[in-house]
Amino acid sequence: EPEVTQTPSHQVTQMGQEVILRCVPISNHLYFYWYRQILGQKVEFLVSFYNNEISEKSEIFDDQFSVERPDGSNFTLKIRSTKLEDSAMYFCASSETRGNEQFFGPGTRLTVL
Amino acid sequence: GIQVEQSPPDLILQEGANSTLRCNFSDSVNNLQWFHQNPWGQLINLFYIPSGTKQNGRLSATTVATERYSLLYISSSQTTDSGVYFCAVAAVYSGAGSYQLTFGKGTKLSVIP
Repeated sequence: EPEVTQTPSHQVTQMGQEVILRCVPISNHLYFYWYRQILGQKVEFLVSFYNNEISEKSEIFDDQFSVERPDGSNFTLKIRSTKLEDSAMYFCASSETRGNEQFFGPGTRLTVL
Repeated sequence: GIQVEQSPPDLILQEGANSTLRCNFSDSVNNLQWFHQNPWGQLINLFYIPSGTKQNGRLSATTVATERYSLLYISSSQTTDSGVYFCAVAAVYSGAGSYQLTFGKGTKLSVIP
Protein backbone atom coordinates (compact mmCIF):
# COMPACT_ATOMS: atom_id res chain seq x y z
CA GLU A 1 0.00 0.00 0.00
CA PRO A 2 1.44 3.42 -0.95
CA GLU A 3 2.52 5.58 1.95
CA VAL A 4 4.06 8.95 2.71
CA THR A 5 7.65 8.70 3.90
CA GLN A 6 9.71 11.26 5.82
CA THR A 7 13.38 11.63 6.60
CA PRO A 8 15.04 11.93 9.00
CA SER A 9 12.92 10.46 11.79
CA HIS A 10 14.84 12.54 14.34
CA GLN A 11 16.87 15.69 13.90
CA VAL A 12 18.81 17.53 16.58
CA THR A 13 20.21 20.94 15.73
CA GLN A 14 21.67 24.00 17.35
CA MET A 15 19.67 27.22 17.55
CA GLY A 16 20.32 29.38 14.51
CA GLN A 17 21.14 26.48 12.21
CA GLU A 18 19.25 25.65 9.03
CA VAL A 19 17.39 22.36 8.75
CA ILE A 20 15.71 20.64 5.82
CA LEU A 21 13.00 18.09 6.45
CA ARG A 22 12.23 15.75 3.58
CA CYS A 23 9.06 14.02 2.48
CA VAL A 24 8.09 11.72 -0.36
CA PRO A 25 4.32 12.02 -0.91
CA ILE A 26 2.20 9.29 -2.46
CA SER A 27 3.05 9.25 -6.16
CA ASN A 28 -0.31 10.15 -7.76
CA HIS A 29 -1.20 12.79 -5.18
CA LEU A 30 -1.33 16.42 -6.18
CA TYR A 31 -1.72 18.31 -2.86
CA PHE A 32 1.02 18.36 -0.26
CA TYR A 33 0.96 19.68 3.29
CA TRP A 34 3.17 20.31 6.27
CA TYR A 35 1.79 20.26 9.81
CA ARG A 36 3.55 20.48 13.13
CA GLN A 37 2.80 19.33 16.67
CA ILE A 38 4.53 20.84 19.67
CA LEU A 39 4.88 18.26 22.42
CA GLY A 40 1.60 17.74 24.25
CA GLN A 41 -0.37 20.03 21.95
CA LYS A 42 -2.64 19.61 18.97
CA VAL A 43 -1.53 19.30 15.37
CA GLU A 44 -1.35 22.64 13.52
CA PHE A 45 -1.39 23.40 9.81
CA LEU A 46 1.67 25.13 8.38
CA VAL A 47 1.41 25.20 4.60
CA SER A 48 -0.14 23.54 1.57
CA PHE A 49 1.43 23.19 -1.86
CA TYR A 50 -0.12 22.53 -5.25
CA ASN A 51 1.08 22.86 -8.81
CA ASN A 52 4.54 23.93 -7.64
CA GLU A 53 3.41 26.81 -5.51
CA ILE A 54 2.08 27.53 -2.05
CA SER A 55 -1.72 27.48 -2.05
CA GLU A 56 -2.26 28.39 1.60
CA LYS A 57 -0.16 29.08 4.66
CA SER A 58 -0.85 29.73 8.32
CA GLU A 59 0.39 32.52 10.55
CA ILE A 60 3.03 30.14 11.87
CA PHE A 61 4.61 29.86 8.42
CA ASP A 62 6.69 33.03 8.52
CA ASP A 63 9.73 34.09 6.52
CA GLN A 64 12.03 31.57 8.20
CA PHE A 65 10.08 28.72 6.57
CA SER A 66 10.09 27.70 2.94
CA VAL A 67 8.88 24.71 0.95
CA GLU A 68 10.07 23.24 -2.28
CA ARG A 69 9.44 20.34 -4.61
CA PRO A 70 12.93 20.00 -6.04
CA ASP A 71 12.11 17.02 -8.24
CA GLY A 72 9.17 14.80 -9.14
CA SER A 73 9.09 12.94 -5.85
CA ASN A 74 10.47 14.96 -2.93
CA PHE A 75 8.76 17.72 -0.96
CA THR A 76 10.90 19.64 1.51
CA LEU A 77 10.40 22.03 4.41
CA LYS A 78 13.32 24.32 5.19
CA ILE A 79 13.69 26.26 8.42
CA ARG A 80 16.35 28.89 7.83
CA SER A 81 17.42 29.85 11.34
CA THR A 82 15.96 27.52 13.93
CA LYS A 83 14.66 28.75 17.27
CA LEU A 84 14.05 26.82 20.46
CA GLU A 85 10.29 27.07 19.89
CA ASP A 86 10.63 25.26 16.54
CA SER A 87 11.14 22.04 18.48
CA ALA A 88 8.20 19.88 17.45
CA MET A 89 7.08 16.88 15.44
CA TYR A 90 6.70 17.85 11.79
CA PHE A 91 4.28 15.87 9.66
CA CYS A 92 4.06 15.80 5.90
CA ALA A 93 0.76 14.81 4.28
CA SER A 94 -0.58 14.39 0.79
CA SER A 95 -3.96 14.02 -0.87
CA GLU A 96 -5.11 13.08 -4.34
CA THR A 97 -7.21 16.20 -4.68
CA ARG A 98 -8.28 18.93 -2.30
CA GLY A 99 -11.01 17.77 0.03
CA ASN A 100 -9.95 14.14 -0.25
CA GLU A 101 -8.46 12.09 2.53
CA GLN A 102 -5.04 13.27 3.62
CA PHE A 103 -2.41 10.65 4.32
CA PHE A 104 0.24 11.48 6.87
CA GLY A 105 3.86 10.47 7.06
CA PRO A 106 5.42 9.13 10.28
CA GLY A 107 6.82 12.55 11.19
CA THR A 108 10.22 14.08 11.88
CA ARG A 109 10.95 14.95 15.48
CA LEU A 110 13.00 18.16 15.49
CA THR A 111 14.87 19.18 18.63
CA VAL A 112 16.50 22.61 18.73
CA LEU A 113 19.12 23.06 21.45
CA GLY B 1 -11.73 29.81 11.55
CA ILE B 2 -13.53 26.56 12.22
CA GLN B 3 -13.56 25.29 15.80
CA VAL B 4 -13.18 21.61 16.70
CA GLU B 5 -14.04 20.36 20.16
CA GLN B 6 -13.37 16.81 21.31
CA SER B 7 -14.72 15.08 24.36
CA PRO B 8 -13.87 13.69 26.76
CA PRO B 9 -10.29 14.99 27.01
CA ASP B 10 -9.22 11.90 28.96
CA LEU B 11 -10.71 8.44 29.21
CA ILE B 12 -9.60 5.43 31.21
CA LEU B 13 -11.10 2.06 30.30
CA GLN B 14 -10.81 -1.46 31.50
CA GLU B 15 -9.77 -3.86 28.76
CA GLY B 16 -12.84 -5.21 27.00
CA ALA B 17 -14.99 -2.14 27.62
CA ASN B 18 -16.65 -0.05 24.92
CA SER B 19 -16.30 3.69 24.45
CA THR B 20 -17.61 6.60 22.43
CA LEU B 21 -15.52 9.63 21.54
CA ARG B 22 -17.16 12.78 20.28
CA CYS B 23 -16.09 15.54 17.92
CA ASN B 24 -18.13 18.74 17.50
CA PHE B 25 -17.32 21.28 14.83
CA SER B 26 -18.55 24.78 14.29
CA ASP B 27 -19.12 24.95 10.53
CA SER B 28 -19.89 22.91 7.44
CA VAL B 29 -17.10 20.56 6.44
CA ASN B 30 -16.08 18.67 3.33
CA ASN B 31 -13.52 16.50 5.07
CA LEU B 32 -13.51 14.85 8.46
CA GLN B 33 -10.86 12.39 9.52
CA TRP B 34 -10.19 10.42 12.70
CA PHE B 35 -6.60 9.59 13.66
CA HIS B 36 -4.94 7.53 16.34
CA GLN B 37 -1.60 8.85 17.56
CA ASN B 38 0.45 5.96 18.81
CA PRO B 39 3.12 6.15 21.55
CA TRP B 40 5.80 6.82 18.91
CA GLY B 41 3.93 9.91 17.76
CA GLN B 42 2.74 8.55 14.44
CA LEU B 43 -0.68 9.61 13.16
CA ILE B 44 -2.58 6.56 11.98
CA ASN B 45 -5.54 7.19 9.65
CA LEU B 46 -8.65 5.55 11.08
CA PHE B 47 -11.51 6.98 9.04
CA TYR B 48 -12.20 9.50 6.31
CA ILE B 49 -15.83 10.25 7.08
CA PRO B 50 -17.28 13.64 6.08
CA SER B 51 -20.73 12.06 6.41
CA GLY B 52 -22.37 8.71 7.07
CA THR B 53 -21.17 5.63 8.93
CA LYS B 54 -18.17 3.38 8.44
CA GLN B 55 -16.85 0.35 10.26
CA ASN B 56 -13.42 -1.19 10.42
CA GLY B 57 -13.13 -4.16 12.76
CA ARG B 58 -13.75 -3.05 16.34
CA LEU B 59 -13.88 0.60 15.33
CA SER B 60 -16.72 2.46 13.73
CA ALA B 61 -17.50 6.10 13.10
CA THR B 62 -20.55 8.17 12.35
CA THR B 63 -20.68 11.75 11.12
CA VAL B 64 -23.92 13.74 11.18
CA ALA B 65 -22.85 16.67 9.03
CA THR B 66 -26.13 18.58 9.38
CA GLU B 67 -25.74 18.58 13.17
CA ARG B 68 -21.97 19.14 13.04
CA TYR B 69 -20.69 16.22 15.04
CA SER B 70 -18.92 12.93 14.61
CA LEU B 71 -18.62 9.93 16.91
CA LEU B 72 -15.91 7.30 17.09
CA TYR B 73 -16.89 3.98 18.68
CA ILE B 74 -14.34 1.57 20.07
CA SER B 75 -15.68 -1.82 21.08
CA SER B 76 -13.95 -4.49 23.17
CA SER B 77 -11.02 -2.17 23.82
CA GLN B 78 -7.49 -3.55 24.00
CA THR B 79 -4.36 -2.12 25.59
CA THR B 80 -3.01 -1.43 22.11
CA ASP B 81 -5.89 1.03 21.61
CA SER B 82 -4.24 3.37 24.10
CA GLY B 83 -3.06 6.70 22.74
CA VAL B 84 -4.54 9.97 21.62
CA TYR B 85 -7.45 10.09 19.19
CA PHE B 86 -7.73 13.19 17.03
CA CYS B 87 -10.58 14.47 14.96
CA ALA B 88 -9.66 16.83 12.11
CA VAL B 89 -11.89 18.74 9.71
CA ALA B 90 -11.61 20.90 6.62
CA ALA B 91 -14.13 23.67 6.30
CA VAL B 92 -16.31 24.13 3.23
CA TYR B 93 -15.63 27.86 3.16
CA SER B 94 -11.98 27.27 2.27
CA GLY B 95 -13.12 28.24 -1.19
CA ALA B 96 -10.28 28.02 -3.66
CA GLY B 97 -7.91 26.93 -0.93
CA SER B 98 -6.44 23.58 -0.20
CA TYR B 99 -8.82 22.42 2.52
CA GLN B 100 -6.20 22.15 5.20
CA LEU B 101 -7.20 20.17 8.27
CA THR B 102 -8.00 21.80 11.60
CA PHE B 103 -7.39 19.39 14.46
CA GLY B 104 -9.11 19.10 17.79
CA LYS B 105 -7.10 18.77 21.00
CA GLY B 106 -7.69 15.04 21.11
CA THR B 107 -8.98 12.43 23.53
CA LYS B 108 -6.30 10.61 25.49
CA LEU B 109 -7.39 7.00 25.93
CA SER B 110 -5.77 4.68 28.41
CA VAL B 111 -6.84 1.03 28.36
CA ILE B 112 -5.77 -0.88 31.43
CA PRO B 113 -5.57 -4.69 31.70
